[in-house]
Amino acid sequence: AQSVTQLDSQVPVFEEAPVELRCNYSSSVSVYLFWYVQYPNQGLQLLLKYLSGSTLVESINGFEAEFNKSQTSFHLRKPSVHISDTAEYFCAASSGGYNKLIFGAGTRLAVHP
Amino acid sequence: EPEVTQTPSHQVTQMGQEVILRCVPISNHLYFYWYRQILGQKVEFLVSFYNNEISEKSEIFDDQFSVERPDGSNFTLKIRSTKLEDSAMYFCASSDGQGMSIQYFGAGTRLSVL
Repeated sequence: AQSVTQLDSQVPVFEEAPVELRCNYSSSVSVYLFWYVQYPNQGLQLLLKYLSGSTLVESINGFEAEFNKSQTSFHLRKPSVHISDTAEYFCAASSGGYNKLIFGAGTRLAVHP
Repeated sequence: EPEVTQTPSHQVTQMGQEVILRCVPISNHLYFYWYRQILGQKVEFLVSFYNNEISEKSEIFDDQFSVERPDGSNFTLKIRSTKLEDSAMYFCASSDGQGMSIQYFGAGTRLSVL
């Protein structure tokens, strides 16, 4: 069965510092990976996805994630964070098609001035 | 940009009452989902729905829960007799289900059972 582990429940960081949010997955079948972001009092928004092809995927607001099959990881990184990046970030996996998403427990990113 | 809409944004109900949470998926999508997030916990899958029937459901989705697509645009989640532990944020999602499809989420309905 699939599972997703987010190793850090909270990550405090200063503005303009780099950040890495860790995500590991377990799956015996092909997997598609996603990062969703939840801003305070809002729903889930897709940040980026790995479906196939290049293992490095990027979002429009400077985040990137790298699919590492040998380490079964899909860590999220940003070289320089902003106050506005403060949110909860969820890593999720799916075996594709119409199948359900399995979410990690989430990582709360708190960016301080 | 097309979006999934959910109503109401907040529903307060008494224990034992029935509630219906409503969702309007993206218009050309064929696969529909409900997830829930209890405060402080992870987002959990409840049920997926395709071609007017449930395609998969979790252990959480017991006989108290039901889903329906009453017309061409709405997708509803009904909880027959609410319990305190049903208090959570409920998210609706939809996808076109083609190949490596993406699920798009609504903003959620916060259900508070008193």
